[in-house]
Amino acid sequence: EAGVTQFPSHSVIEKGQTVTLRCDPISGHDNLYWYRRVMGKEIKFLLHFVKESKQDESGMPNNRFLAERTGGTYSTLKVQPAELEDSGVYFCASSQVSGFTQETQYFGPGTRLLVL
Amino acid sequence: SQKIEQNSEALNIQEGKTATLTCNYTNYSPAYLQWYRQDPGRGPVFLLLIRENEKEKRKERLKVTFDTTLKQSLFHITASQPADSATYLCARNTGFQKLVFGTGTRLLVSP
Repeated sequence: EAGVTQFPSHSVIEKGQTVTLRCDPISGHDNLYWYRRVMGKEIKFLLHFVKESKQDESGMPNNRFLAERTGGTYSTLKVQPAELEDSGVYFCASSQVSGFTQETQYFGPGTRLLVL
Repeated sequence: SQKIEQNSEALNIQEGKTATLTCNYTNYSPAYLQWYRQDPGRGPVFLLLIRENEKEKRKERLKVTFDTTLKQSLFHITASQPADSATYLCARNTGFQKLVFGTGTRLLVSP
C-alpha cells in the first residue's frame, strides 16, 4: 500500500511568487493534516481536513495560505504571495478514522520550500 | 503555554548501550504522548503511544514511560545500533487531533 505522497519534494521560488504544494493521503484516510517546520523550530500544525471539510485551521499563519481538499481525496496548499518567512518543510499526514484522538498519523516525506 | 520540551542537544552513545531520551511537558496534563522517529529528508514515523494511565509501554527494543507526577516521558532504546541514529520526536495529542511536537532530540549511535 502506498504511503502519503507529497509533490514537489523541493521548491525554490522568489519572494512574491506563488507556490502550490500537493498531498496525496493514504487511500481511504478521511483525515488529512498539514504541518510545517521552519528551521530551528518544532513541527507545527497548520490545519486538519475531515474528508473535504476543514475541521481545524487554527494553525494557518495568515490569509496568504489557502488549503483545499476537493472531493475529499488529495489536498493542495497554496502560498500566495510567498514571503521569506514561509521557508521551511511542509509535511502532510493522514489518519484513518475520525473522532479518536489517538489515531496514528502517517506522514509524507515533506516539501522543502525555500523563498529567496 | 502548553509546551513539549525535549533536550535539543544531540545524544551520542556507543553501540550496545541503552539510549534514554526525555520529554517534559508543562502547564497541562496530556491524555496521550507519542514518540516518532525522523530520518533526514523524511517525515516523522510513529513509534509508540502511551496513555496517562499507563506507566510503561514496550515494543521490541523500545520502551516508553509516562510519569504524570514529574510531567515527563522517557524513551529508551536498549541494545542500541547505528541504525537507530535519527531524531526522535515527542508529541501530544490535543482534543482536536492535531499533534503538538517537541523540537526533537538527535541520537547518534557509534559503532
